[in-house]
Parts: sequence; C-alpha cells; structure tokens
Amino acid sequence: DAGVIQSPRHEVTEMGQEVTLRCKPISGHNSLFWYRQTMMRGLELLIYFNNNVPIDDSGMPEDRFSAKMPNASFSTLKIQPSEPRDSAVYFCASSRTETDTQYFGPGTRLTVL
Amino acid sequence: GENVEQHPSTLSVQEGDSAVIKCTYSDSASNYFPWYKQELGKRPQLIIDIRSNVGEKKDQRIAVTLNKTAKHFSLHITETQPEDSAVYFCAADAYSGNTPLVFGKGTRLSVIA
Repeated sequence: DAGVIQSPRHEVTEMGQEVTLRCKPISGHNSLFWYRQTMMRGLELLIYFNNNVPIDDSGMPEDRFSAKMPNASFSTLKIQPSEPRDSAVYFCASSRTETDTQYFGPGTRLTVL
Repeated sequence: GENVEQHPSTLSVQEGDSAVIKCTYSDSASNYFPWYKQELGKRPQLIIDIRSNVGEKKDQRIAVTLNKTAKHFSLHITETQPEDSAVYFCAADAYSGNTPLVFGKGTRLSVIA
C-alpha cells in the first residue's frame, strides 16, 4: 500500500491567491482528517470526514477555508484567499474507522508570502 | 470534551539512558492511546499503541503503560540512541467534543551522544 498521498509537497504562493491541497487516503479507510501544524499552535484538527461526509468542521479557522471529499479516494482543502498566517504544514490522515489508528500523509508545506 | 496533557515539553538524555514521557487524559470513556514519533521535517508515525484492556505493551526498546484509574499513560524508551531524537505525541480517543482523537502538545526528545 502506498500510504496516504498528498500533493503538492511544497507550495509557495502570494497573499490573496487560492491554494488547493489534495489528499488520497489509504484504500479501505473510511475516515479522513485534515490537520495543520505550526510551531506556535502544534497539531490542530481542521476537519474530518467519515464515509465522505464532513462530521465536524469546527476546527476550520474561518470561511476562507473549505474542504470537500467527493469520493472515498480523494479530498481537497482549499484556502481562498490565502494569507501569510496560513503558512504551516498541512497533514492529511486516514483511518479505518473514526477512532482507529490514524496514518498520516507526508504533508504539504505551505508558504504564503 | 477530552483533554490530553503531555509532560515534559522537552527532554534531554544521554545516549544509553532511559526516557519517560507522561500523558494524562480527562475522559474516562477513552480506551485507545496511540503514540506518534515525528522526526524533523517528516510526518507523525505511529510507534506503539495500547488499548484499555491491557496495562502494558512492549515493542523492543519502547513500552507503554496505562493506568485507567488515574487516567494516565506513559511512554518508556530504554537504551536511547541518537536516532530516537524526535518529537513524540501521545493521543487519546474521545467520545465527546468535536474530534475522535485528541493529541498532546508533544515532547521534544534529544538524545545526546
């Protein structure tokens, strides 16, 4: 198994631009999680899906952030418009069930100038 | 909701010594406790986990102990090596609140050769 796949691995953009991060979970996993990691705030859960349905998005910082999971093998996290304070590493993780072991992707390092 | 506290935030040990990281949790319904290791620039990776039907689990040089009465669990690393240097996160599953897995803030372990 290839594990959780994320793209791009690095993204550098300018303030105001739209950013789309992509994630492919492990096949057979029913839950998908988006996290943001910074030195200041640590690992924060932004949103998670169960069977492609968003369960809780209370961690999404503001309306500029949105996430979708159109099918069991693909999810996107979009930031529009991006701001410098969005600079962080964004991890996607998947698990068989909501409370099972989570396996993390390699992350996307986002830099907003 | 579940609250997980992790101590210490940083830990330095001499190569060959043991390292212990402790976590406490608040939700008595929690019964799954994974530990993740994150090397610099890499993704968090599961190193060991324990479920509430056992009190201790070992895997070579690492072990985890669980005290459900006191609501705390610990990671023990024996005969530490420089490659053990990383940030370690504990987590606990949650049955209330907005996230199925709550992470501690992390412990930065440095093993000095």
